[in-house]
Amino acid sequence: NAGVTQTPKFQVLKTGQSMTLQCAQDMNHNSMYWYRQDPGMGLRLIYYSASEGTTDKGEVPNGYNVSRLNKREFSLRLESAAPSQTSVYFCASSDSGGADTQYFGPGTRLTVL
Amino acid sequence: GNSVTQMEGPVTLSEEAFLTINCTYTATGYPSLFWYVQYPGEGLQLLLKATKADDKGSNKGFEATYRKETTSFHLEKGSVQVSDSAVYFCALSGRNQGGKLIFGQGTELSVKP
Repeated sequence: NAGVTQTPKFQVLKTGQSMTLQCAQDMNHNSMYWYRQDPGMGLRLIYYSASEGTTDKGEVPNGYNVSRLNKREFSLRLESAAPSQTSVYFCASSDSGGADTQYFGPGTRLTVL
Repeated sequence: GNSVTQMEGPVTLSEEAFLTINCTYTATGYPSLFWYVQYPGEGLQLLLKATKADDKGSNKGFEATYRKETTSFHLEKGSVQVSDSAVYFCALSGRNQGGKLIFGQGTELSVKP
């Protein structure tokens, strides 16, 4: 039981390049989330998916797109990376939202030059 | 909108000292409250939670009580260990918000032998 896995662990991009961050969970959870972590700001929600086939914007969605590929996988895409997107990205999942515990992946450290 | 405010860090304590990390929140209705912990180089993991007023969450010697009258959820531990060195995040999830978490900025704790 791997929990929540994320790839890659590290990535360096140039401004304007695109990339997709991958996330998968093996806990049969319905809800999945993408957060970014910046120094002094805690974690902020980018997008979430309450169930397979649905996605909604979070607090900071600009510059990102997501795909809930199936119940297990939830990807985050940067179409044209900007230096302001340099951050650590965390994927999380929970059984059904609400007060359910969210389980986090190990994170992807992204640097945009 | 909903928000969480934590005491600023870093906090440095000697082993066996008493720990308090303050957390206050602003929310409509009755949110669920959480403390998550992030050990160096890892993702976040749930430490404890409380879902209604006067509930006490506890785990690994840490405790926090949901105080609606003071809109607070302060984290306490009677005797910290070096292994407790980590970043601690207070968070809330509003009712009917699909499990979206709103985080405080995090408090870094360093425990010295």
